[in-house]
Amino acid sequence: DAEITQSPRHKITETGRQVTLACHQTWNHNNMFWYRQDLGHGLRLIHYSYGVQDTNKGEVSDGYSVSRSNTEDLPLTLESAASSQTSVYFCASSSSGGADTQYFGPGTRLTVL
Amino acid sequence: GQQLNQSPQSMFIQEGEDVSMNCTSSSIFNTWLWYKQDPGEGPVLLIALYKAGELTSNGRLTAQFGITRKDSFLNISASIPSDVGIYFCAGQPWTGANNLFFGTGTRLTVIP
Repeated sequence: DAEITQSPRHKITETGRQVTLACHQTWNHNNMFWYRQDLGHGLRLIHYSYGVQDTNKGEVSDGYSVSRSNTEDLPLTLESAASSQTSVYFCASSSSGGADTQYFGPGTRLTVL
Repeated sequence: GQQLNQSPQSMFIQEGEDVSMNCTSSSIFNTWLWYKQDPGEGPVLLIALYKAGELTSNGRLTAQFGITRKDSFLNISASIPSDVGIYFCAGQPWTGANNLFFGTGTRLTVIP
């Protein structure tokens, strides 16, 4: 069955380190998204991509970067992790049909000490 | 960014009771979506609404797209223990946009 996976599921790192969170989907969806989820804020969009080589900034993109070298993967990189980036990160993907077809991964819980 | 105001923030109800929650925005949305999130999982789509005034059901769940296009409502009838979770509303700002704006969530607890 097609699916969307994230790895690792849990990560603890130190301030200043570079961290990369993986997202992989097997639906062949063009659109992929990264969100962070924090208490009191719901889900907020970090970056998104509409296809290979395409990346766009979302609402809270500072301190994060993404790259899209193939359809299946959209890794999220924290160049220099900060304690404010402690959060749960969700990846999602959708076909070109629109936002209602977004499927979410299981999430990665990141703790920055 | 756009923030959707969702209420209530949390609810404690007895099994069998009906539940109502709503979501409001200062901006117009073309699509309203309702998601449920179980602990340790990502959100799962429950209902999608595409037209102002639309009323759509999915089993015991019913959602409505407000006439002003600035609000939406979700009702759950005859709640059961597996309804426990966090419910999120989300809005799509225009048709074809692939970014969503999410509400802050309603945490539902069902007491058997």
